[in-house]
Amino acid sequence: KQEVTQIPAALSVPEGENLVLNCSFTDSAIYNLQWFRQDPGKGLTSLLLIQSSQREQTSGRLNASLDKSSGRSTLYIAASQPGDSATYLCAVRRSNYQLIWGAGTKLIIKP
Amino acid sequence: EAGVAQSPRYKIIEKRQSVAFWCNPISGHATLYWYQQILGQGPKLLIQFQNNGVVDDSQLPKDRFSAERLKGVDSTLKIQPAKLEDSAVYLCASSVPFQYEQYFGPGTRLTVT
Repeated sequence: KQEVTQIPAALSVPEGENLVLNCSFTDSAIYNLQWFRQDPGKGLTSLLLIQSSQREQTSGRLNASLDKSSGRSTLYIAASQPGDSATYLCAVRRSNYQLIWGAGTKLIIKP
Repeated sequence: EAGVAQSPRYKIIEKRQSVAFWCNPISGHATLYWYQQILGQGPKLLIQFQNNGVVDDSQLPKDRFSAERLKGVDSTLKIQPAKLEDSAVYLCASSVPFQYEQYFGPGTRLTVT
């Protein structure tokens, strides 16, 4: 059974710092992995999707990496801003297109 | 384009009462998902529709939860009777079939007292 774990559950850093969020999964037979952002009272927004054959994806200040063999992914946020404060969730996709989710990391960027 | 719409946004009910949530997906999206997200956890898929047919409802507590998607567009999720442990945010998402991108609505926050 696929399980997705995100550590830490919460993280608080000063504005301007670079930071890394971690995601691990137990079964390497994934179709792809996706990082989402969740703001209070709003739905989930997709940030990056990495195919199982890829090693990383970049979008602006965000960079996501994938090491399928070790069951790990990281989301790197460069030059953090207060607007980056949100909960970040990772999810792995099975071959049937369904997502298995982690519990998320709540990120607070202090001005 | 308009996003996924959900209503109500908030609902407070007492245990053993019933409640219904409504979702209107993005126009043209044949696949619709209902998720339950308990505080501090990731979303859990309750049911997935393809048009008005059920693709997967393996995690739907069928003794109290029901969902329908008449005419393959809007969908309703019902809980009857509600339990305290049903307190959660209920998220609706839609997508083009066999495409990765799911578009999420704002969710309905249910509190059962």
